[in-house]
Amino acid sequence: AQSVSQHNHHVILSEAASLELGCNYSYGGTVNLFWYVQYPGQHLQLLLKYFSGDPLVKGIKGFEAEFIKSKFSFNLRKPSVQWSDTAEYFCDALFFGNEKLTFGTGTRLTIIP
Amino acid sequence: DTAVSQTPKYLVTQMGNDKSIKCEQNLGHDTMYWYKQDSKKFLKIMFSYNNKELIINETVPNRFSPKSPDKAHLNLHINSLELGDSAVYFCASSPQQGESYGYTFGSGTRLTVV
Repeated sequence: AQSVSQHNHHVILSEAASLELGCNYSYGGTVNLFWYVQYPGQHLQLLLKYFSGDPLVKGIKGFEAEFIKSKFSFNLRKPSVQWSDTAEYFCDALFFGNEKLTFGTGTRLTIIP
Repeated sequence: DTAVSQTPKYLVTQMGNDKSIKCEQNLGHDTMYWYKQDSKKFLKIMFSYNNKELIINETVPNRFSPKSPDKAHLNLHINSLELGDSAVYFCASSPQQGESYGYTFGSGTRLTVV
């Protein structure tokens, strides 16, 4: 079955540390991939997306993600996190043939000043 | 035991009709949301309710009216359906306004207007 997995449920980092949040999907066909963020008290916002082309995509607020097809992964990275990055992060996938978004369970990121 | 459930999963209807999509959560969350997956496949917020009170109302046509009879339910009623309303609509909930963790999505409702 098509699925999206985020194995890190809660990540705690100090400011200026580097970040990598894992996302893996299960599907043999074409896939569109997204990362969304939800800051406390706010609704979801799109961080970045991958449809095709360059597998390294850059998003807002200094985030980037790399699509590695052989590993079925789309990990989110940021070289140096800030306290304001404290939020919950969702990896989502759109599997061709099934046009609905499939969500990961989310990763809570806590940045310690 | 589904945490956030939406009904129906699929809805095909003619232009001009009025339809409702229901959402229920059994997580005890205070805040519920409706999102629309737009033509570019992104999620766009439509409405947010906190404990039956409207918090967010983005630029959405007046034909869309959310109704929250209690904090476990947030229904979406759409009047005079148009072709452009065809999309997938997602309901979601989170524990409290001001607290982002535990955000849970429904599985979506695919609306097709013909």
